[in-house]
Amino acid sequence: AQRVTQPEKLLSVFKGAPVELKCNYSYSGSPELFWYVQYSRQRLQLLLRHISRESIKGFTADLNKGETSFHLKKPFAQEEDSAMYYCALSGRGRNFNKFYFGSGTKLNVKP
Amino acid sequence: DVKVTQSSRYLVKRTGEKVFLECVQDMDHENMFWYRQDPGLGLRLIYFSYDVKMKEKGDIPEGYSVSREKKERFSLILESASTNQTSMYLCASGTGQNTEAFFGQGTRLTVV
Repeated sequence: AQRVTQPEKLLSVFKGAPVELKCNYSYSGSPELFWYVQYSRQRLQLLLRHISRESIKGFTADLNKGETSFHLKKPFAQEEDSAMYYCALSGRGRNFNKFYFGSGTKLNVKP
Repeated sequence: DVKVTQSSRYLVKRTGEKVFLECVQDMDHENMFWYRQDPGLGLRLIYFSYDVKMKEKGDIPEGYSVSREKKERFSLILESASTNQTSMYLCASGTGQNTEAFFGQGTRLTVV
């Protein structure tokens, strides 16, 4: 069965500190992995996806198939990174965009 | 600028009422989705549609139905609203062709 687990409901760090938001998944197949972000009073938006292998706003995420993880990292957190972060997976082909979301991690970056 | 628009930001309805949540996208996307967002549970898929007049159940379809008469519009229907359907509802659309999905701003529904 497909499942996305984000173990931390809240993560508080100081500005300039490294950040790692954890995500583990289970899926019977080859999933697509994503991180979505929701800033206060804004709509949910894509942050990054594993197939792009790019860095967005200083964030990176590496897919580890052996550990079935897709942790989100940033070396130096900024106050504007404070938001709700959701890890998500989808299938491929017809099931692309049909997301399974984790429960979310609220990141609070303190000044 | 891509747009997924939900007809209401806030809605208050009484128990037992029939409720319609409307979603319109202007990107000619084939796929459209309805999720509900609850604290501690994340987003859960209610229904989705791959094409006009086509629909499939998601993970939590009980108490809901949907309608997709036109490609750009996907409606979520609560046949008889109950207090446990109080939630934030998010609509999304995508091409299903290896591109990102876009979300609406959400409708906060309160059933009293």
